[in-house]
Amino acid sequence: RKEVEQDPGPFNVPEGATVAFNCTYSNSASQSFFWYRQDCRKEPKLLMSVYSSGNEDGRFTAQLNRASQYISLLIRDSKLSDSATYLCVVKRGNFNKFYFGSGTKLNVKP
Amino acid sequence: SQTIHQWPATLVQPVGSPLSLECTVEGTSNPNLYWYRQAAGRGLQLLFYSVGIGQISSEVPQNLSASRPQDRQFILSSKKLLLSDSGFYLCAWSEGQHGYTFGSGTRLTVV
Repeated sequence: RKEVEQDPGPFNVPEGATVAFNCTYSNSASQSFFWYRQDCRKEPKLLMSVYSSGNEDGRFTAQLNRASQYISLLIRDSKLSDSATYLCVVKRGNFNKFYFGSGTKLNVKP
Repeated sequence: SQTIHQWPATLVQPVGSPLSLECTVEGTSNPNLYWYRQAAGRGLQLLFYSVGIGQISSEVPQNLSASRPQDRQFILSSKKLLLSDSGFYLCAWSEGQHGYTFGSGTRLTVV
């Protein structure tokens, strides 16, 4: 079983739409959680950390459910510039080892 | 501020040739350093990590090796490349509970 699983998409949405990505992780010992954004042929970049209480950064809201081992990302009022692949990431164990999902591709259309 | 440099950006190598990819970080001391590979259309796979000079841990058996000759230098190597070594290689560093910062990556094509 994969450490982190995501729907690969693609999600094709119009500008202004609200879109939600989900992710599950297999190891209950996972300690920290993140969403990364990866543009085509570029390195991943940290979008936001995810906390149990939920957290928001502008149009982006992240949620964590430790009991269900489930992470979500909600994007409101989608922009063309939001088109990218969104990676779900968990940290587990010593030495800050991170485990990445294979990503969900988002295409925002005019 | 901390920066991470990775080179070259693109590399085309024949099967059986050697490989050396270099990564250096600036603005931090004793960072944890990581090498990841992303095959086409796939997720990131952790290859190696290092918590200090000369300390290398391998996550998966493979045709590659890593070395950390200096605190802020991390090198990925191979003696003989295979076609399956093609991919996007990313160096990253981390500090504390924060996420990773990645280098800009090396796109390797083995032909």
